[in-house]
Amino acid sequence: GAVVSQHPSRVICKSGTSVKIECRSLDFQATTMFWYRQFPKKSLMLMATSNEGSKATYEQGVEKDKFLINHASLTLSTLTVTSAHPEDSSFYICSARAYRDTEAFFGQGTRLTVV
Amino acid sequence: KNEVEQSPQNLTAQEGEFITINCSYSVGISALHWLQQHPGGGIVSLFMLSSGKKKHGRLIATINIQEKHSSLHITASHPRDSAVYICAVVNNNDMRFGAGTRLTVKP
Repeated sequence: GAVVSQHPSRVICKSGTSVKIECRSLDFQATTMFWYRQFPKKSLMLMATSNEGSKATYEQGVEKDKFLINHASLTLSTLTVTSAHPEDSSFYICSARAYRDTEAFFGQGTRLTVV
Repeated sequence: KNEVEQSPQNLTAQEGEFITINCSYSVGISALHWLQQHPGGGIVSLFMLSSGKKKHGRLIATINIQEKHSSLHITASHPRDSAVYICAVVNNNDMRFGAGTRLTVKP
């Protein structure tokens, strides 16, 4: 299957700093990328959907100024957690989908710990 | 009520047992995914279904569109199958997830 690479897999940062997570589709053009957050022992929660070249669409309750999403190319989307707080500590996962394809491919996830 | 319901929430089996995980959904869908999440968190897509049945090794997935129900079966289960299995339904640009089934297979 297609490959989506997410980096870093783990990151620890101090409160108040910003962290950038990258999601790359390695062997296909990802016209749509999704960013999810997973709380402990909970299912995935969609944060935002981004289409290449467009502004991301955020789900209700997700602060767009805090979770900056950029999808500037067909192979790369980034999620930047700005002014991180301990409550932002979570597992973040991206998935990517090609144009008109219903199959999505998942990154390996990033475990963010804010201290 | 969640749009995607999975059962059971937790499942413990002995090695070699036949396992079934169920997923019911209440929305119209274009496809359904079965995902496997290992303890480290990484997610692997096992199947994508829009009708009928698919088989890959010891894994079988079925879907009944009329009844809005899908099942994931694991034959001859093995401890390495221990993971969380998540059902996800696709509707246009939207993917909705079940809460997951935590499977533990004991040797």
